[in-house]
Amino acid sequence: QVQLQESGPGLVKPSETLSLTCTVSGGSISTYYWTWIRQPPGKGLEWIGYIYYSGSTNYNPSLKSRVTISVDTAKNQFSLRLSSVTAADTAIYYCVRRVAVRGFYGFDIWGQGTMVTVSS
Amino acid sequence: AIQMTQSPSSLSASVGDRVTITCRASQGIRNDLGWYQQKPGKAPELLIYVASTLQSGVPSRFSGSGSGTDFTLTISSLQPEDFATYYCLQDYDYPLTFGGGTKVEIK
Repeated sequence: QVQLQESGPGLVKPSETLSLTCTVSGGSISTYYWTWIRQPPGKGLEWIGYIYYSGSTNYNPSLKSRVTISVDTAKNQFSLRLSSVTAADTAIYYCVRRVAVRGFYGFDIWGQGTMVTVSS
Repeated sequence: AIQMTQSPSSLSASVGDRVTITCRASQGIRNDLGWYQQKPGKAPELLIYVASTLQSGVPSRFSGSGSGTDFTLTISSLQPEDFATYYCLQDYDYPLTFGGGTKVEIK
């Protein structure tokens, strides 16, 4: 079955760029919306944005100026870059598959999540 | 952005109890609403989509209802493994937004 695995540094300095990669195994990255969601410690969930396998993107306006999501179909991976990070960006970051077809909309497969701390 | 308001923020119930969680959208979202369960230290899991359709493998004690602005997640007979936090998500318009969560504790 399809599995997602996040990878990247667990510690990022303030003002630098957070970079994470999600590897999709057990299935193709073609079709579906590949999404990043984050969760600050002890808090709720925030949708960051998605990339469709074709390359089209949609970002949360609250982060839009700092976010870039890209896809590498040859490697079956998609990535998140978040620039100019502050302590407020400390969170668990999840990569997630979103299904959006007639009658079925939802985040059906999640990675285990990776904790990223912003600190000097 | 569409605001999703969940209530209560937490509840304590006994095994076998019927539990109801509500989610209200700041504007109509048709039935484009999902419910997610998150256990401590784990990623969320999809329980229900399009307001009332059970995801494959989810026990039938979970059910969802509602349309427009008001939605409900019901657990008909609470089990010990249902200790978790539950989130609603509106899937109607971008940015997608989650409710604040409801933490269900077992008495």
